[in-house]
Amino acid sequence: DTEVTQTPKHLVMGMTNKKSLKCEQHMGHRAMYWYKQKAKKPPELMFVYSYEKLSINESVPSRFSPECPNSSLLNLHLHALQPEDSALYLCASSRGTDPTRDLYFGPGTRLLVL
Amino acid sequence: AQSVTQLGSHVSVSEGALVLLRCNYSSSVPPYLFWYVQYPNQGLQLLLKYTSAATLVKGINGFEAEFKKSETSFHLTKPSAHMSDAAEYFCAVTLTSGTYKYIFGTGTRLKVLA
Repeated sequence: DTEVTQTPKHLVMGMTNKKSLKCEQHMGHRAMYWYKQKAKKPPELMFVYSYEKLSINESVPSRFSPECPNSSLLNLHLHALQPEDSALYLCASSRGTDPTRDLYFGPGTRLLVL
Repeated sequence: AQSVTQLGSHVSVSEGALVLLRCNYSSSVPPYLFWYVQYPNQGLQLLLKYTSAATLVKGINGFEAEFKKSETSFHLTKPSAHMSDAAEYFCAVTLTSGTYKYIFGTGTRLKVLA
């Protein structure tokens, strides 16, 4: 199984809502990532978990809260988002964090904040 | 600091014609370089990577890239374009120290004309 799955595929939320994005992989990868991608732009790194510990937080606003319950799951909790947070949120995983690693991406959750 | 530059945000080729997508890197040390492809409404998928072994790297779907240190380039080529190659292509480099983050280029959208 070389697949990273993400749910939901689409999400519309108001600025006062609380929602969560879910990501799952069963490849035994020990690093997992959240990226944000705006239209016609490259992915921007948000968070990196390595061996279930948060190793990188790219100065992301606190309205985004990541969680790694176990080595296969990664969540992104959303609260009080702004319309400018509307984007495609991509989850990725890799075997490790060495510089030659391959990233395996999920299909993304397309988020619209109203 | 490592970075990549993709020349041409949009490239159009006829079906059956050569595909050439350009990527130049800047790095004070030998870099690790990657090409990823993103089809519409999907996540990114690794096409190929250079990790200081062979300078000519073959990837999936008939794509290849050549690492040229003298030109600081890692251009992506395919001898004959297919309609299914229409997608966004990202060149990337990983930092060779510290957290080994991926640095993505701005992307090139490939259009294949019938």
